[in-house]
Amino acid sequence: DIQLTQSPSFLSASVGDRVTITCRASQDISNFLAWYQQKPGKAPKVLIYAASSLQSGVPSRFSGSGSGTEFTLTISSLQPEDFATYYCQQVNYYPLTFGGGTEVEIK
Amino acid sequence: EAQLLESGGGLVQPGGSLRLSCAASGFTFRDYAMTWVRQAPGKGLEWVSSIGGSGGDIYYGDSVKGRFTISRDNSQNILYLQMNSLRAEDTALYYCAKMSRYVVGATYNWFDPWGQGTLVTVSS
Repeated sequence: DIQLTQSPSFLSASVGDRVTITCRASQDISNFLAWYQQKPGKAPKVLIYAASSLQSGVPSRFSGSGSGTEFTLTISSLQPEDFATYYCQQVNYYPLTFGGGTEVEIK
Repeated sequence: EAQLLESGGGLVQPGGSLRLSCAASGFTFRDYAMTWVRQAPGKGLEWVSSIGGSGGDIYYGDSVKGRFTISRDNSQNILYLQMNSLRAEDTALYYCAKMSRYVVGATYNWFDPWGQGTLVTVSS
């Protein structure tokens, strides 16, 4: 099975900060990676697919990059509504797997 | 707008069974693979099972293989998850989600949208 390791698991940042979350895969997954945002009490929502493609309707402050085994999700200017937990997911190799999540707290 | 609504969760004793349903609307249901994902209280996301648009290709996670059965009714636009031999560790919020492709094994098969989830509690 492909393991996805996210770091950090928790971060606290201020409104306007640039935030970067890393997801490392245990083997090469090309760009078969998606990023999701989950707000408290809500279902996850896709932000990024194919590692760097922005899902329709998602603010442009979100971006994704990477390929192979290392990926990043960047929020260019953190907004209060971005308080959430973020998960990466590899979307091509079964069993499909998620990273452990990164909880983002607004200072 | 695609929408998904899960139902069927509840409290069940260890060893018991439960069937979850997911009613889909706002998209051509038969044209997309569908999936179940669960989230134990306070924990992360765990993929459970996926089924292709025709119902012909099915995958299960190791933790549920042999106990859970995914199926779909394309005439009624409903996705199902039959859960047997339930264990305490199956306690979770169960989400259904639409996959981005018709075939489960296709590349770039992300999940969007997700339903609001239905809670399954396995306890005596």
